[in-house]
Amino acid sequence: DAGVIQSPRHEVTEMGQEVTLRCKPISGHDYLFWYRQTMMRGLELLIYFNNNVPIDDSGMPEDRFSAKMPNASFSTLKIQPSEPRDSAVYFCASRHGQLRYTFGSGTRLTVV
Amino acid sequence: QKEVEQNSGPLSVPEGAIASLNCTYSDRGSQSFFWYRQYSGKSPELIMSIYSNGDKEDGRFTAQLNKASQYVSLLIRDSQPSDSATYLCAVIGTAGNKLTFGGGTRVLVKP
Repeated sequence: DAGVIQSPRHEVTEMGQEVTLRCKPISGHDYLFWYRQTMMRGLELLIYFNNNVPIDDSGMPEDRFSAKMPNASFSTLKIQPSEPRDSAVYFCASRHGQLRYTFGSGTRLTVV
Repeated sequence: QKEVEQNSGPLSVPEGAIASLNCTYSDRGSQSFFWYRQYSGKSPELIMSIYSNGDKEDGRFTAQLNKASQYVSLLIRDSQPSDSATYLCAVIGTAGNKLTFGGGTRVLVKP
């Protein structure tokens, strides 16, 4: 079991550029969650999917953020255009029953 | 009021002592409660889950839940330097699948 795989591990981009973060959940997990972690706000849920369908995107900060899950093994979180305040660690997590969430290693995003 | 609240710490404990961490939550209908450990630069790792009132023990860890007081705690017995990390309390509320985290308590175990 390779766990939840996120890429890239680190991303540095200039303000205004498009950023795409990627996540491969654990095979068989039917829930996928995107979180953002900052010192000021802690871990915040951005959006989650069930069986590839977005269920709750109320945590997405604004229209610059979008997320997709085209199939059971892949999800993306896109920021366009990026701003310095988007700098954070973005975690993907997946879950199947038993309420056990498994987190990926995270993507550290720096927008300069 | 935040949905899940924790003292940010740091909580400094000597090696071998008991570390006591507290968490309160606002959604009275919450049914599922978790403690995660997060080392610096790493992802959260589940260490305990608890669903009913009372105590639940797993090795050196004991989780305690009091739904009437909307309070969850974690005890770490025989604390080791390797226990130095941030401990995150997380709750699934009545909304269903949303796992909401507290801000975390940083624990420092000194040899």
